[in-house]
This record gives sequence, structure tokens and C-alpha cells, in this order.
Amino acid sequence: DAKTTQPPSMDCAEGRAANLPCNHSTISGNEYVYWYRQIHSQGPQYIIHGLKNNETNEMASLIITEDRKSSTLILPHATLRDTAVYYCIVRVPYSSASKIIFGSGTRLSIRP
Amino acid sequence: GAVVSQHPSRVICKSGTSVKIECRSLDFQATTMFWYRQFPKQSLMLMATSNEGSKATYEQGVEKDKFLINHASLTLSTLTVTSAHPEDSSFYICSASQLAGTNEQFFGPGTRLTVL
Repeated sequence: DAKTTQPPSMDCAEGRAANLPCNHSTISGNEYVYWYRQIHSQGPQYIIHGLKNNETNEMASLIITEDRKSSTLILPHATLRDTAVYYCIVRVPYSSASKIIFGSGTRLSIRP
Repeated sequence: GAVVSQHPSRVICKSGTSVKIECRSLDFQATTMFWYRQFPKQSLMLMATSNEGSKATYEQGVEKDKFLINHASLTLSTLTVTSAHPEDSSFYICSASQLAGTNEQFFGPGTRLTVL
């Protein structure tokens, strides 16, 4: 699996959009970009994933650059409950043996 | 979405004892389950990959005789920490991969192990 690079920490004001960047310059053609988050002392929670098109769901939006070497996770209206560590991962999902290797992630703090 | 449970959520044990942690997929069948360990302020570290009916595959540096993994059915995997010591105190998390569909992984809530 390709490696990803994320800033160690970010902060955002409550109610504003939180934009979390991720670099994955060595991503392969069949690898998807996944985002998970981990709230303190809980298991990781799936947020969103995509291959090359931008994606949106009820939690977030994922913007992937045309060359697929980087992406941005957008939480449109951050709340205090969005305080967590966010992990950007690239992997091939259509394999039962596909491991998820976590990097250091970005610790997002939401300030009131 | 698919639900994965872990039991117990917290366990405290004495040094030298063995502790078993269960991971269950509640509403789907999982051919593959993964076990992670997380120390305070660190990221999740993959320990092993468990396939139903076969031996687990351990990541480099993980002692297979210390961390026994059994995946006897499509809905249950167990991790046994044998002869636990204080340095084994950690947050243990499992994930399960669906049998059908896109093989997405779903994570359990984690088990906090404290060895005294």
C-alpha cells in the first residue's frame, strides 16, 4: 500500500469548514483514497472513500486532485464532536486480504 | 452499516495471567478479521490478519506465541494475550472484512487492557 503524508495537527472554529489535506504521491492506479477518524478511546470510524472523482456523503466531502497525488477531506460545518484524529489511507478495497495500515493521522481540534 | 463488537470493553488483570478478547461481526459474515494494538498517543499498529479456518498471519515483530489468534467461525475471532505483562497494557482493536461485496472493513469499539 502507498504511504500518505498528513499534517500532525490542525484546528478549526466551530461552524466553519474543516479542510484536512493528504498527500499520496505514490498512489497506484487501482488504489482508493479512504478517510477514517478515531475519537478518543474508540475504534476508527469510516468517513468516506473515492477513486478519482470527488465524493460527498452525509459526513463529509472528498476532493481528489486530477493527478490523484493528493486529496482533501472537507467537514462542511465542524462541531465539537468532530474533534478526533483523522487518518488518510490508500488501499485496494476489493481484496479480502487488503490490510489497512494507519499512519500518524491529523489531530483535529475544534474550538468553540 | 455493519456492526463489529468486542468483549470485554475493559479488562484489568494481574501480571502472568492470560486474557482473551472476543471480536464479533454482528450482522455480516467476515472471512477476514484484523487485530490492532494502540499505545497512548500513538497510531494503530496492525498485529495480525486472521482468516476463518486457517492460521493467522502475524506482522513482523509480533510474537505469535504470545498473541494467540483463533478465527473459528465467520462471525468470531479471539485474541488471547498469554502471560500478560504490564508492557502489554494497550488498546486492542479488531476489524472485520465482509465476505461479500466490496470487502470493506468495519472496526470494533476496542478493548482496554491493563496489566498490573
